[in-house]
Amino acid sequence: GDSVTQMEGPVTLSEEAFLTINCTYTATGYPSLFWYVQYPGEGLQLLLKATKADDKGSNKGFEATYRKETTSFHLEKGSVQVSDSAVYFCALSDRSGNTPLVFGKGTRLSVIA
Amino acid sequence: NAGVTQTPKFRVLKTGQSMTLLCAQDMNHEYMYWYRQDPGMGLRLIHYSVGEGTTAKGEVPDGYNVSRLKKQNFLLGLESAAPSQTSVYFCASRTPASDGYTFGSGTRLTVV
Repeated sequence: GDSVTQMEGPVTLSEEAFLTINCTYTATGYPSLFWYVQYPGEGLQLLLKATKADDKGSNKGFEATYRKETTSFHLEKGSVQVSDSAVYFCALSDRSGNTPLVFGKGTRLSVIA
Repeated sequence: NAGVTQTPKFRVLKTGQSMTLLCAQDMNHEYMYWYRQDPGMGLRLIHYSVGEGTTAKGEVPDGYNVSRLKKQNFLLGLESAAPSQTSVYFCASRTPASDGYTFGSGTRLTVV
């Protein structure tokens, strides 16, 4: 079945550092790809998405590009802030949206001042 | 805006007890989902529903039952709780036209 693999955490960065969280996927079809963020004590929120190859999703300074040739959707941010400390989940669903989201295991990010 | 509301927020059960987790959404969403979140495991789908009166099994359905008698509510039941069901449970919903899920804030369940 479809699956998502993302880098193990936790990741600890200093404020203003560059962030990359790797995500690769396995899918039988041509999926849509997502990044969700979970702040402490809260549910998940959609951060960004991309629905076709070479699309770039972006939001709040975060970016991710849908790379079909490498089956990847890595999350990046040029300068992290303490407020970015959270757990980040990569996820996929089929293009029709009829199958539920499949999530990676999550990567915990801690940003220190 | 209430969005997705889960009750209760916290619960401690003894092994063998039963309980029902309630998920309510006020956005008229067709699709609803129950996930569990465990350390190092990410979110795993328990059951889901694509409309009132319909339910389907997810990745980890054993030990759980669900019902969707009303469009706005999705109930998750544990008939005989086990320590392995200690987890944080999240409900989510969406419309067919949107691929973005709206999540509740979770229910932390401990089975002793």
